[in-house]
Amino acid sequence: RKEVEQDPGPFNVPEGATVAFNCTYSNSASQSFFWYRQDCRKEPKLLMSVYSSGNEDGRFTAQLNRASQYISLLIRDSKLSDSATYLCVVNGPGGYNKLIFGAGTRLAVHP
Amino acid sequence: DTEVTQTPKHLVMGMTNKKSLKCEQHMGHRAMYWYKQKAKKPPELMFVYSYEKLSINESVPSRFSPECPNSSLLNLHLHALQPEDSALYLCASSQAGGSETQYFGPGTRLLVL
Repeated sequence: RKEVEQDPGPFNVPEGATVAFNCTYSNSASQSFFWYRQDCRKEPKLLMSVYSSGNEDGRFTAQLNRASQYISLLIRDSKLSDSATYLCVVNGPGGYNKLIFGAGTRLAVHP
Repeated sequence: DTEVTQTPKHLVMGMTNKKSLKCEQHMGHRAMYWYKQKAKKPPELMFVYSYEKLSINESVPSRFSPECPNSSLLNLHLHALQPEDSALYLCASSQAGGSETQYFGPGTRLLVL
């Protein structure tokens, strides 16, 4: 089983759509959870940290279910500029600063 | 300011060359990282420096040699690389001591001929 698993997509959605990405992780001791966004040929950029209580930042909502070892990201009112690869990231065994990246979910928003 | 800078942006080298990648941050972070990313794959951790000491080496071949001269700088020395080492090399930094966020530099795109 991969340490962090994501559906690779691509998710092709029209502007204005709501889209949800899911991610599962294998290490029950993980304490840090993030969603990063990566544009083609660019570096990963932090989209948001994910907290047990869930958190929202504008059109983006992240949820964490520790019991199921499951993380989600909801994007509402999709924009063309949301087109990117979304990386689910969890700290792995061996330390809080050892991050394990999922393979990423590709999102393409079309007019 | 959450900027991490990396030089050079692009590098082409032969298998017998020696070159170095450089990374700098001025955020007062005390942990710095090297990652390797191949096309259409996620970043893979190579090395972690915490308070200028190497704390994690993910069994990286010795042809990659990291160095942390001070808390703001991180180098990756390259020697006798193979064509399969061609990739995007990303540097990141974070505050040390908790579940902190890592901030990435723009990367160096390396091609080994």
